[in-house]
Amino acid sequence: AQKITQTQPGMFVQEKEAVTLDCTYDTSDQSYGLFWYKQPSSGEMIFLIYQGSYDEQNATEGRYSLNFQKARKSANLVISASQLGDSAMYFCAMREGQRGAQKLVFGQGTRLTINP
Amino acid sequence: DAGITQSPRHKVTETGTPVTLRCHQTENHRYMYWYRQDPGHGLRLIHYSYGVKDTDKGEVSDGYSVSRSKTEDFLLTLESATSSQTSVYFCAISDAGGTIYFGEGSWLTVV
Repeated sequence: AQKITQTQPGMFVQEKEAVTLDCTYDTSDQSYGLFWYKQPSSGEMIFLIYQGSYDEQNATEGRYSLNFQKARKSANLVISASQLGDSAMYFCAMREGQRGAQKLVFGQGTRLTINP
Repeated sequence: DAGITQSPRHKVTETGTPVTLRCHQTENHRYMYWYRQDPGHGLRLIHYSYGVKDTDKGEVSDGYSVSRSKTEDFLLTLESATSSQTSVYFCAISDAGGTIYFGEGSWLTVV
């Protein structure tokens, strides 16, 4: 069974609009973490934001926020005031457990295109 | 910048030849990982290391071996490269807080 599901293969958004990228996950662990990464066309994987399963507040990092709805098992990435440089692939990932090696399971990604 | 360097960044090799990719880190992190990225599959874990000479298999370990003789270096070896191993390979580390950072990637083509 797929553990991370990103249902939007591609999204097109006008510059300066807010955008929400969907991510749902499946786990039976009580302790887990959720990550979002950005992969621009140059290929590197850039860490954006992290949410722990026990964190009560939604994570925020600048223009990025993570809308964490634990009961729904969703961890959507919200980008406020989108910019042309936000055009990239975005990956949601999860690690189960807390201690030891942080092994990630990735979704298949969403390609975001920001139009001027 | 998590201080991760991968080499080579690009390589073309022939089927059946051995290939070694190197991951070097400067921050003395305990945990290191190798992932591969293929279209339609996202990133998948090949092997990881939890210390010098301590390694374990990930989701897609067949055809790969790893070694870690020093804290800073984690090597991924394809003993006999096949076309199915054409991929982008990413090294990663996890820091003390559990955040995972990736290297720049190594593009491998097996012809």
